[in-house]
Formats: sequence, structure tokens, C-alpha cells
Amino acid sequence: QAVVTQEPSLTVSPGGTVTLTCGSSTGAVTSGHYPYWFQQKPGQAPRTLIYDTSNKHSWTPARFSGSLLGGKAALTLSGAQPEDEAEYYCLLSYSGARPVFGGGTKLSVL
Amino acid sequence: EVQLVESGGGLAQPGGSLRLSCAASGFTVSSSYMTWVRQAPGKGLEWLSVIYSGGSTYYADSVKGRFTISRDNSKNMLYLQMNTLRPEDTAVYYCATFPGEGYWGQGTLVTVSS
Repeated sequence: QAVVTQEPSLTVSPGGTVTLTCGSSTGAVTSGHYPYWFQQKPGQAPRTLIYDTSNKHSWTPARFSGSLLGGKAALTLSGAQPEDEAEYYCLLSYSGARPVFGGGTKLSVL
Repeated sequence: EVQLVESGGGLAQPGGSLRLSCAASGFTVSSSYMTWVRQAPGKGLEWLSVIYSGGSTYYADSVKGRFTISRDNSKNMLYLQMNTLRPEDTAVYYCATFPGEGYWGQGTLVTVSS
């Protein structure tokens, strides 16, 4: 089974920009992995921020964007707000219909 | 408005069984890809199973042969039958609509302990 890697933790200053990445042990991440990004705050269910690399939900703040960057999926937060402090998970799909979650990135806004 | 509501969690003995339900509204389960995900206490998310609109099902190795995903089209419900439960199955279980736009329920807690 593939291993999906994320930065364990990142810190961003309020108003700053940060990029979270999602890599695959099998090689470069492509649009064919249909990358997802989920946000989870303590005690809450996850919610989808980005699906299929870069598609946003109606509730996804405009300051979040998804892309492919340097062979990885990327979630960029531009203009961080205190309420963005959360755990962020990516999900990649592979052949065999068994997607794999990354281990999560704990984002601090300090 | 899309809504997913899980139920059926609780305390189970090792080796026992539970059936989780996921009530869907605002869309049709039979036309969607539906997924179960779990999260052990203090841990990350783990994909468990998916049922495609055509009825095909897939499972993570950790639950294959023990868990069964199914749906009732007439009730617009998704289920997860969990057998031969182990202490390591203790987690919050979520249903979600992915592949697709990725709506999530609020989760239901399953505790496996004697």
C-alpha cells in the first residue's frame, strides 16, 4: 500500500502564507490521484476544503487554494486567520479503489 | 441541503458485532459513491470502505472479511456491518460522500472493550 506523507506540523503568522504538501511513496502526485484536502478542528468532524486537486466547496474560504506543486499536491493558505488553526489531512486515490490518507499536518497560527 | 447522520455506535465486546447506519438527505445514496472512514482516539483518519453507485465495494485490508458496506436505496441509507470486533477498532466512524464533493457526517463512536 502506498504511503502518503504530509508535514507533521507547520506554523504561520496571522496574515501570512503557508503551503501544506501531500506526497506519495509511489512517485509524483498527479490529477489522477484526485487529491482531497480536509480540515479538522478539535472535537469536530472533518470537512472537505478541496476536492479533485483544486475544486472548492461553497464553504471553503477564498484564502485556501489547491494545486499540484513539485510532484506533490499542495494546499496554500494566503492570509492566515486564527480560525485556520486545525489539523489538515490529504487523501490520494490509487488504482484498486483504495485511497490513502496522509498522516495530517497540525497547523498553528501564531 | 446535503446531510449525513450516523448512528449505531456504542460499546461492543471483543469478537462482537455492531451495525452502523448513515442516514442521507439532500441527495440519492444509490447514485453516489459512499465511503466509511474512522478515526481512533488521538489518531489520524483511516479509509475503510467504499460502495460505488454501480454497487461495487472495496475494503481496507484492516477490515476486509470482517466489515461489510451496504446500502438501502429505498431508505436512502448507508450501512457498515462490523463483525469480529477488536479493541483496535475503537474509533469514531464517519460516513462521507467521496469520491465526489466530500460531505461528511458528524460521526458515531464505537468502543470495543470487555
